[in-house]
Amino acid sequence: GQQLNQSPQSMFIQEGEDVSMNCTSSSIFNTWLWYKQDPGEGPVLLIALYKAGELTSNGRLTAQFGTTRKDSFLNISASIPSDVGIYFCAGLGNYGQNFVFGPGTRLSVLP
Amino acid sequence: EADIYQTPRYLVIGTGKKITLECSQTMGHDKMYWYQQDPGMELHLIHYSYGVNSTEKGDLSSESTVSRIRTEHFPLTLESARPSHTSQYLCASGAGTALGYTFGSGTRLTVV
Repeated sequence: GQQLNQSPQSMFIQEGEDVSMNCTSSSIFNTWLWYKQDPGEGPVLLIALYKAGELTSNGRLTAQFGTTRKDSFLNISASIPSDVGIYFCAGLGNYGQNFVFGPGTRLSVLP
Repeated sequence: EADIYQTPRYLVIGTGKKITLECSQTMGHDKMYWYQQDPGMELHLIHYSYGVNSTEKGDLSSESTVSRIRTEHFPLTLESARPSHTSQYLCASGAGTALGYTFGSGTRLTVV
């Protein structure tokens, strides 16, 4: 079945630094979503992408739908302590009924 | 405010007990999902439903069962809990194919 890979698996950064993470697949997806999960909570939708090449921002977050339709990127600028959590990408393919979730990138922000 | 609710938030139960994890949503979503997640790990789809009286097994084999008698309610049942069932269970619902899911806060289950 369709699978997503996320890198890095985990990252430790200093407060104020910018963060980049990506999500890749061997299959084409028509929709990409980025979620954030705080410790002890359910994931919350951050950004949705629906068109190849699309670049969308939500505050300090910016996500892009890769032009090959097989990848997506999430950037966080000027990280703050509350950015800590797990970031999941999710993709929906041509004939998919359910979103496929990546394994997550675990972000730690050091003061 | 439309939302999705899971109860209980935390549950510690003895081996062999029957338990039901509750999930309700007030958004009128047809699609509902159960995911199993060990702390800090991946989300594993264990059950889903596309509407009333529709239930399907997910990608990860699970000894749990689900039912969908009402649109807003999607409970998950374990007939005989075991320590291997210790995990977090997340419920989610979705309105349309491309709109993504809204997740509940989860139930953290510990079987002793």
